[in-house]
Amino acid sequence: GQSLEQPSEVTAVEGAIVQINCTYQTSGFYGLSWYQQHDGGAPTFLSYNALDGLEETGRFSSFLSRSDSYGYLLLQELQMKDSASYFCAMYSGGGADGLTFGKGTHLIIQP
Amino acid sequence: EAGVAQSPRYKIIEKRQSVAFWCNPISGHATLYWYQQILGQGPKLLIQFQNNGVVDDSQLPKDRFSAERLKGVDSTLKIQPAKLEDSAVYLCASSLDPAGADYEQYFGPGTRLTVT
Repeated sequence: GQSLEQPSEVTAVEGAIVQINCTYQTSGFYGLSWYQQHDGGAPTFLSYNALDGLEETGRFSSFLSRSDSYGYLLLQELQMKDSASYFCAMYSGGGADGLTFGKGTHLIIQP
Repeated sequence: EAGVAQSPRYKIIEKRQSVAFWCNPISGHATLYWYQQILGQGPKLLIQFQNNGVVDDSQLPKDRFSAERLKGVDSTLKIQPAKLEDSAVYLCASSLDPAGADYEQYFGPGTRLTVT
């Protein structure tokens, strides 16, 4: 089957750096995405990694290691508005490209 | 650019009743997805359309759920009859090109369904 594991909750301080890890299991793998979702809001796209390595977009970076079936999202210069749930999600291919999501990591930012 | 539109935003029904949700994707987006998000979990793909054809409905409970996308634009998702465990947020998403470089999906605000 297909599954993703990520911590249920992470707490960090405003201005700091936080890393949210994600490990996955699947028979076929095309890439790993990250989405942010505020309470009551819609998921919004943050990043996508198809190849090994680090992708940087402003304060957010995402990393993928296909050999380790592992990825992470790195958030720098944390702001209070970053308090949200973060989901890793994978494309397993097979002719379809719907996402399989993890259960999400609730990020709590403390002042 | 207008985002993905969904209606209604909230719906409360009793078990065994039927309900329908509507989605209007971003103009020009060929691919449309319906996801179910139960409280405290990640979204779960129910069905994916490419234009007006079904690409993947392997996780759609077909004994009670149905979906269609007429003319390759708007889509409706129906539940009949509803069960208590169907209480969730139903999210519609669209993407421009499934083979695109960034694979970004754009989500609507969702319909929060409560079955009593």
